[in-house]
Amino acid sequence: EVQLVESGGGLIQPGGSLRLSCAASGSTISGFSMNWARQAPGKGLEWVAYIMGSDDVIYYAESVKGRFTISKDIAKNSLYLQMNSLSAEDTAVYYCARSSGLYWGRGTLVTVSS
Amino acid sequence: DVVMTQSPLSLPVTLGQPASISCRSSQSFVFSDGNTYLSWFHQRPGQSPRRLIYKVFNRDSGVPDRFSGSGSGTDFTLRISRVEAEDVGVYYCMQGSHWPWTFGQGTKVEIK
Repeated sequence: EVQLVESGGGLIQPGGSLRLSCAASGSTISGFSMNWARQAPGKGLEWVAYIMGSDDVIYYAESVKGRFTISKDIAKNSLYLQMNSLSAEDTAVYYCARSSGLYWGRGTLVTVSS
Repeated sequence: DVVMTQSPLSLPVTLGQPASISCRSSQSFVFSDGNTYLSWFHQRPGQSPRRLIYKVFNRDSGVPDRFSGSGSGTDFTLRISRVEAEDVGVYYCMQGSHWPWTFGQGTKVEIK
């Protein structure tokens, strides 16, 4: 059974940085598209970043481009999201997902507030 | 970006009765492999989304056959043949053909 477990969320001040992790089990992440998505409180879903393949094809939402960096570690079977220059608009539950949303983690809450 | 527009945004339903959600896109989104990557997700309060349908009409493993997807071009539909209590929550359509992948606003299904 594929499981994705996010960690690294928390309360951070505006302008700060945070690194989210997603540990996968039950299957290797190699060869699958991996994503980060987010959901602001009471709002809909938004795809944030995408990474795929051995040559790491990467895409970002315009709202995070230049501030967020997606990466993966095949040996650790983990996905990461480095988030810099955070603002209140980045407050959301961040989900790790695999294979175009077939598998989702439970999410980790990021709150950007002073 | 491909804009996905769902209707209705709120759907009160009667147990055992059918329900239908519409999803319209601002443009067609056929991928280079010929597939239309239109998915439907269900999210219960406090839970992660669950994918129900992929590539317009394919049900994911374990999804009850009362759920069906249809459509083409820019017009898609999710149907529930007989609504059960566990079907409450928010339903999202999503296009995954062109980045940025985009979701509809969500349709909240509740029991009358």
